[in-house]
Amino acid sequence: DAGVTQSPTHLIKTRGQHVTLRCSPISGHKSVSWYQQVLGQGPQFIFQYYEKEERGRGNFPDRFSARQFPNYSSELNVNALLLGDSALYLCASSTGTAPIYHQETQYFGPGTRLLVL
Amino acid sequence: QQQVKQSPQSLIVQKGGISIINCAYENTAFDYFPWYQQFPGKGPALLIAIRPDVSEKKEGRFTISFNKSAKQFSLHIMDSQPGDSATYFCAASLFSGAGSYQLTFGKGTKLSVIP
Repeated sequence: DAGVTQSPTHLIKTRGQHVTLRCSPISGHKSVSWYQQVLGQGPQFIFQYYEKEERGRGNFPDRFSARQFPNYSSELNVNALLLGDSALYLCASSTGTAPIYHQETQYFGPGTRLLVL
Repeated sequence: QQQVKQSPQSLIVQKGGISIINCAYENTAFDYFPWYQQFPGKGPALLIAIRPDVSEKKEGRFTISFNKSAKQFSLHIMDSQPGDSATYFCAASLFSGAGSYQLTFGKGTKLSVIP
């Protein structure tokens, strides 16, 4: 079975531009989360979507937005890019259906490496 | 505010030795504590995880020790191998309903296992 896939793998943009990153979850998974990983740091939570609804949002500015489609794939959009947005953007998927004491595993994709010049 | 503190930042261990990575958390509402392994150019992959009502979990050469009262947990890698060389992240999960949970990660530990 295919794991989480992300596209593109690498991207170079200039300040002020807009970028769209894409993620396809594991088949059967209904929850998608986005994380930003700056070089040398742990991933930071940006958004979580479940059944096409936003279920969680991290401490990121409104320049960051996302959506989930009927097939459960997802897009992360970033407007007005800043140099500090350069990072590895990770998508993770999970079933989204586990009861509270049967914690779920989030499976990560390989990420999209964004460089803002 | 960093809610999960991880140490050390880097670790060098000889082949066959024990690697120990420590994490401490602040939010007592966290309900799941996974460890992820990340190789260069790859996304994090789940290694092992523990629930807060368990004090220890072992899977092969990997063991998590969990101290709820101290709000600390650690990863032990026994018989460390060069193939274990990677960056390790501890994390804590907060569950708040169906499809509503998020992972808070530590800053990572770069492990190098030398022959």
